[in-house]
Amino acid sequence: AQKITQTQPGMFVQEKEAVTLDCTYDTSDPSYGLFWYKQPSSGEMIFLIYQGSYDQQNATEGRYSLNFQKARKSANLVISASQLGDSAMYFCAMREDNYGQNFVFGPGTRLSVLP
Amino acid sequence: DSGVTQTPKHLITATGQRVTLRCSPRSGDLSVYWYQQSLDQGLQFLIQYYNGEERAKGNILERFSAQQFPDLHSELNLSSLELGDSALYFCASSVRDRVLGANVLTFGAGSRLTVL
Repeated sequence: AQKITQTQPGMFVQEKEAVTLDCTYDTSDPSYGLFWYKQPSSGEMIFLIYQGSYDQQNATEGRYSLNFQKARKSANLVISASQLGDSAMYFCAMREDNYGQNFVFGPGTRLSVLP
Repeated sequence: DSGVTQTPKHLITATGQRVTLRCSPRSGDLSVYWYQQSLDQGLQFLIQYYNGEERAKGNILERFSAQQFPDLHSELNLSSLELGDSALYFCASSVRDRVLGANVLTFGAGSRLTVL
């Protein structure tokens, strides 16, 4: 079974608008972390934001915020005030603290920011 | 610069050949993860090492092998290469981020392998 699901293969957003990238996950481990990474066309993987399973508040990092809904097992990335440089692939990932301790990645969402 | 160094950046070879990809984690990082990213695909976990020992194995083919040396650098060996092995191979290390209180995966720039 897929541990990380990203149902949006591609998304378009107008510059300066906000966009939400969806991520759902599956785990029975009570302790886990959720991550978002950005991969621009140059290929490098850039860490954006982290949410722990026990964190009470949604994580924020600059223009990035993570909409964490634990009961629904979703961890959507919200990018506010989109910029052209936000055009990239975005990957959601999970690390289970007790089961394997590996980082599992979703298939990614390609975001295109339109001028 | 993430501090995770991968060489070579690009490699072109022929089917049936063998190549070695090298990774040096950040100073002090004990862990090394290898991932494969085929064209327009997600990241597939291959294998993880921690302080020289294999920790976990993912979807790594029998034609592939890896090891982590005493100086903590790691090598991923790919043999009997096939066209489908063409991909971007990432090495990453995981270290505890004191601010976040969590282990965060930090990636190298990747080694792009093209098999002709």
